[in-house]
Amino acid sequence: GESVGLHLPTLSVQEGDNSIINCAYSNSASDYFIWYKQESGKGPQFIIDIRSNMDKRQGQRVTVLLNKTVKHLSLQIAATQPGDSAVYFCAETPGNDMRFGAGTRLTVKP
Amino acid sequence: DTEVTQTPKHLVMGMTNKKSLKCEQHMGHRAMYWYKQKAKKPPELMFVYSYEKLSINESVPSRFSPECPNSSLLNLHLHALQPEDSALYLCASSLGQGARSTEAFFGQGTRLTVV
Repeated sequence: GESVGLHLPTLSVQEGDNSIINCAYSNSASDYFIWYKQESGKGPQFIIDIRSNMDKRQGQRVTVLLNKTVKHLSLQIAATQPGDSAVYFCAETPGNDMRFGAGTRLTVKP
Repeated sequence: DTEVTQTPKHLVMGMTNKKSLKCEQHMGHRAMYWYKQKAKKPPELMFVYSYEKLSINESVPSRFSPECPNSSLLNLHLHALQPEDSALYLCASSLGQGARSTEAFFGQGTRLTVV
């Protein structure tokens, strides 16, 4: 399933499926982008980042794609697990001015 | 040590009280942040300190007063708050050296309730 981020703040997927979470950012001057995961009652936890001179970066089970032309960022999670259930935020930053997008709640069904 | 430690974890205060939130990191980070997060909303930037100097103030009401006594500590002094100020207050830090942005590490937050 695919989330349109700001317009569809929830995403429900079956365990084992791939998840795609989208985010539109606003500042053309942003040169660094981060995806954070936030579980209930906890602070945001770093997942993966990407700089503006790249369009793709892969981590363990996660991939971030950046399209600067349309100011769009996506997070792909492979083989989604119940432990991936959380709210996911993208953040953009020029320098130390880090701002968060609206977030998407991911629910993984067993 | 990759931790940002916030105290207290929970705080209930009256509208006439004065209290302080504390944040500490020992990662050598030179940028420190305060964010406010309401339920089901993203964190909203309040203040940024860079090398112990206030570099960003997002037009936050004066009843919130930040302080950075040294490179490891960040405080948020609270006075005459309103019930709508009830929220999760998050502290974060990042390397903050030079123009190259790096990821911010977050504390677990202080859950503040104003009664």
